[in-house]
Amino acid sequence: AQSVAQPEDQVNVAEGNPLTVKCTYSVSGNPYLFWYVQYPNRGLQFLLKYITGDNLVKGSYGFEAEFNKSQTSFHLKKPSALVSDSALYFCAVRDRGYQKVTFGIGTKLQVIP
Amino acid sequence: EAGVTQFPSHSVIEKGQTVTLRCDPISGHDNLYWYRRVMGKEIKFLLHFVKESKQDESGMPNNRFLAERTGGTYSTLKVQPAELEDSGVYFCASSQGNRYSYEQYFGPGTRLTVT
Repeated sequence: AQSVAQPEDQVNVAEGNPLTVKCTYSVSGNPYLFWYVQYPNRGLQFLLKYITGDNLVKGSYGFEAEFNKSQTSFHLKKPSALVSDSALYFCAVRDRGYQKVTFGIGTKLQVIP
Repeated sequence: EAGVTQFPSHSVIEKGQTVTLRCDPISGHDNLYWYRRVMGKEIKFLLHFVKESKQDESGMPNNRFLAERTGGTYSTLKVQPAELEDSGVYFCASSQGNRYSYEQYFGPGTRLTVT
C-alpha cells in the first residue's frame, strides 16, 4: 500500500519570503514522487517529479523539491514566494511498476502581500 | 497541443438520477485515469485504462459506477443511480504509453452535485 501525508492544511507566508510545503510518503518499493498545483477553478497542473538521481529536483515557476529517503519526505520549496503562488498544492506518490498514483489531502498556500 | 478536456464542467442532479461524465485525453495518450475528490479529502484513484482495456479498477466505489473507453479514445464515467455521497470533483488524467512518461496530465474536472 502507498500513502501520502501533508501535515499542514494551510501555509501562510509573506511575499518575498521562502516557502516550504511539507510532504511525507509511504511506499513498499522505490517511489516516484510528484507535486501538482491547483489554481482556483482549474485542473491539477504538474509542477515537478522525482524519479531517480539528484535528490534536489527543479520544476516549474521556480519551485524545487528535495527527496529525503531516510525521512521519506519530499518537501516543496521556493526561495521567494509570489502572491500568484497562492493555490492548493498536492503531493503524490507512485510505486514503481504501477500506474496508480496516491495523492495527499492538499495544502493551501496563501502568500500575503 | 490540446490538454485533457472534460465535460460537463458542472452537473447538478437529484438522487436516483443518472449522470454521464466525459473525458477526452491528450491525443496519442494510451493511458487514461479517473480520480475523484470529495470536498476536503484527498484525490482518490478510481480506475486506469490502457487503450480500451481496464488495467486497474480497484478504486471504483461500487457497481453504480461504470467506465468505458470504446475505441481507446475518449472515456465516459456513468453513475447510475446517483447517491448523495457521489458528490465531488471527478478528474480525468492521461499519460503516454511508453514507460518514460511518468507524470499524468489532468483535466479541469467535473464538479458533480447530487441533491
